[in-house]
Amino acid sequence: GAGVSQSPSNKVTEKGKDVELRCDPISGHTALYWYRQSLGQGLEFLIYFQGNSAPDKSGLPSDRFSAERTGGSVSTLTIQRTQQEDSAVYLCASSSRTRTDTQYFGPGTRLTVL
Amino acid sequence: QQQVKQSPQSLIVQKGGISIINCAYENTAFDYFPWYQQFPGKGPALLIAIRPDVSEKKEGRFTISFNKSAKQFSLHIMDSQPGDSATYFCAASRGDYKLSFGAGTTVTVRA
Repeated sequence: GAGVSQSPSNKVTEKGKDVELRCDPISGHTALYWYRQSLGQGLEFLIYFQGNSAPDKSGLPSDRFSAERTGGSVSTLTIQRTQQEDSAVYLCASSSRTRTDTQYFGPGTRLTVL
Repeated sequence: QQQVKQSPQSLIVQKGGISIINCAYENTAFDYFPWYQQFPGKGPALLIAIRPDVSEKKEGRFTISFNKSAKQFSLHIMDSQPGDSATYFCAASRGDYKLSFGAGTTVTVRA
């Protein structure tokens, strides 16, 4: 396949609902990252997976946010009890194990919490 | 707290002109400084990057200037073209993966 893919491209939800965002990395890439891009802000690091190592979760803003990566490939970012301040574009990126300096980004999921 | 400060927020340049975007950082442990280019509706794409052992890196019309003592780095886009119209983000990290991004600069190149 081509690049990193993300689904859905847009998600509108009501405050208090849970949402799941999906990321399919580039085939063969062992590293996967999630970022959040709020309006007028730069990208904010959320979480990093590298192979079978324990993920770096240091960027997750609260315990309502969680992410998993199954089989070393697809990743799901879950936001529980969504709040209006969670509205943002959620970007996923992947890179090869030896070239973590080159991250390839997906197009993002625009989340709107009403 | 933003670890990388980027300016200006936006700029307009005539075709053929030079676009200059500046970034400053505080964390002296940062050792990798990439620039990303983002078009509307797309994810950012790595444009050019530099490490602190060099003061300048050039790739085509894009040049990074790096001033370690001032903790500043900048992107110069020479001979700006309408296709360069995009949002540009500077970033920095210790090691390669945990990038701290600036807020972005929207560049508009007028034909």
